[in-house]
Amino acid sequence: NAGVTQTPKFRVLKTGQSMTLLCAQDMNHEYMYWYRQDPGMGLRLIHYSVGEGTTAKGEVPDGYNVSRLKKQNFLLGLESAAPSQTSVYFCASSYSEQGYGYTFGSGTRLTVV
Amino acid sequence: GESVGLHLPTLSVQEGDNSIINCAYSNSASDYFIWYKQESGKGPQFIIDIRSNMDKRQGQRVTVLLNKTVKHLSLQIAATQPGDSAVYFCAENGLNTGGFKTIFGAGTRLFVKA
Repeated sequence: NAGVTQTPKFRVLKTGQSMTLLCAQDMNHEYMYWYRQDPGMGLRLIHYSVGEGTTAKGEVPDGYNVSRLKKQNFLLGLESAAPSQTSVYFCASSYSEQGYGYTFGSGTRLTVV
Repeated sequence: GESVGLHLPTLSVQEGDNSIINCAYSNSASDYFIWYKQESGKGPQFIIDIRSNMDKRQGQRVTVLLNKTVKHLSLQIAATQPGDSAVYFCAENGLNTGGFKTIFGAGTRLFVKA
């Protein structure tokens, strides 16, 4: 019962470098989400997907891109990392837009220096 | 805009006592609420949920109370144990501009003293 798996768990980037965060779910969920979590703040939605081949902007999309080529995978890309993108990133999935079955991955701690 | 907030950022309780964590929400259209537990270095874990047609729901050692009149949600943990130490946050889901939206609160850190 893997649920939602994120890779990598930790990463340090230099300003201007690029990287891709990987998220995989094995629950056949339609909806997938990328959040960032910063100290003292609630989870903020970066991008989300309502199904294979679809993506949409969330609350804080600038500086990030996503792709959902397969139903089980949702990729988050940083094209040119900035220190402001230092955060903990969580992927989640659910089986409905009403939020039922929301399941989170274990997170990726990203530091941009 | 709509927001989900918490009254207390930290809560310290004695082992064996009951804990109550509160949450306020502002979107009157929200009809589904969830409590999560997040341990250090881990992702949020589902604890319990409640729909707006209920005012109370019980799980194993946890109870969620919903007061729609004052837009308040609480999580009660009975006989709190050291393993309950974590950050707890609530989330609300409801119809919003552009469709359904889930909004998360910042969290309350629960310390359990042995």
